[in-house]
Amino acid sequence: IQMTQSPSSLSASVGDRVTITCRASQGISAYLNWYQQKPGKVPKLLISATSSLQRGVPPRFIGSSSGTEFTLTISSLQPEDFATYYCQQSYSPPVTFGPGTKLEIK
Amino acid sequence: EVQLLESGGTLVQPGGSLRLSCAASGFTFSSYTMSWVRQTPGRGLEWVSGISDRGDRTYYADSVKGRFTISRDNSKNTLFLQMKSLRAEDTALYYCAKDEAIRFTFGSWGQGTLVTVSS
Repeated sequence: IQMTQSPSSLSASVGDRVTITCRASQGISAYLNWYQQKPGKVPKLLISATSSLQRGVPPRFIGSSSGTEFTLTISSLQPEDFATYYCQQSYSPPVTFGPGTKLEIK
Repeated sequence: EVQLLESGGTLVQPGGSLRLSCAASGFTFSSYTMSWVRQTPGRGLEWVSGISDRGDRTYYADSVKGRFTISRDNSKNTLFLQMKSLRAEDTALYYCAKDEAIRFTFGSWGQGTLVTVSS
């Protein structure tokens, strides 16, 4: 199962609403996860199963889907949100990640 | 607190072999599927292999199938990755990752161990 993400990079300002899109090459039900990775740090699970926010993750992170298209929305960007975001399907092995979206400060 | 500590990464020549280990603590190791995920600057995150809680089912990425073998020792809370016929493109930071409630949903990661394949 191939995962694509768009955009590959994004410049935004604090307070902006941003959306990252991930598409699966075939149906994966709701088995889609989102990770955040900051430079020099390990990936952090933000959202599992399309929309389930992990403990301690702020509610400004919202996951949704329509068919094989999944979106991560950050409702109001905070300085600590500038990072790279990866989607990942856990529907069936081999597990696959998207190529990532780098979110940068404008 | 979940802790995953990888070891075994080093510089190895193309065609060589290496065994990575991941020592786990802070959770019931034998109850979770575990995986290896690698990362390179140019290729982002790539899942390498996974193993079921009892070790009776293993899964591999196509890029490593036939060359890598995942295993675990539940009595020692340790995950392994035996790597053979190593190639330059296997150069990466290798993470050990623990499942959350859903299989292959990685809620905890180690800090990684660096494998460099070069002559």
